[in-house]
Amino acid sequence: GDSVTQMEGPVTLSEEAFLTINCTYTATGYPSLFWYVQYPGEGLQLLLKATKADDKGSNKGFEATYRKETTSFHLEKGSVQVSDSAVYFCALSGTYKYIFGTGTRLKVLA
Amino acid sequence: DAGVTQSPTHLIKTRGQQVTLRCSPKSGHDTVSWYQQALGQGPQFIFQYYEEEERQRGNFPDRFSGHQFPNYSSELNVNALLLGDSALYLCASSLIAGLMGGTDTQYFGPGTRLTVL
Repeated sequence: GDSVTQMEGPVTLSEEAFLTINCTYTATGYPSLFWYVQYPGEGLQLLLKATKADDKGSNKGFEATYRKETTSFHLEKGSVQVSDSAVYFCALSGTYKYIFGTGTRLKVLA
Repeated sequence: DAGVTQSPTHLIKTRGQQVTLRCSPKSGHDTVSWYQQALGQGPQFIFQYYEEEERQRGNFPDRFSGHQFPNYSSELNVNALLLGDSALYLCASSLIAGLMGGTDTQYFGPGTRLTVL
């Protein structure tokens, strides 16, 4: 069945460092891909999405490119801030449901 | 524009009890999905409602049931609570995207934290 695999966390970075969080997927068909962010004690917020191969989603300095050939959707940001500390979830759209990875916790130190 | 709202925020129940969680979708959305997020895990799909009918169900027992009202709001009911039902319950709303399945982007509410003692 469809699945999403994310890199294990936690990821600890200094402020202004470059961020990469790896995400790969297995799916039949051509799903849309998403990154959601969850701050402590809150629900999920949509960060960015891409609906077809080679699309690049971007928001708030974060970006990810839908790579069909490598079945990947890695999240990147050039310069992280303390306020980016959160848990990041990669997800794909199934026929009705979304399938999520286990999440990657990011901690940014000042 | 109000986003997805859920109530209550927190709930504490004991084993064997029943609970009802509520969700109001984002304005203009017609589809509601429910997810369970255990501590340290990603959300797991429970079921989805459209036009007051359950469209699809995830791998959850019949103790989990739902309802969608004509105004598109929804309830999640869990009977005979177990300790393992302790989790964050997330509601997501979206627009239907064709009758053969699929929805537009799902937007999540803040969740209801259920603790079963």
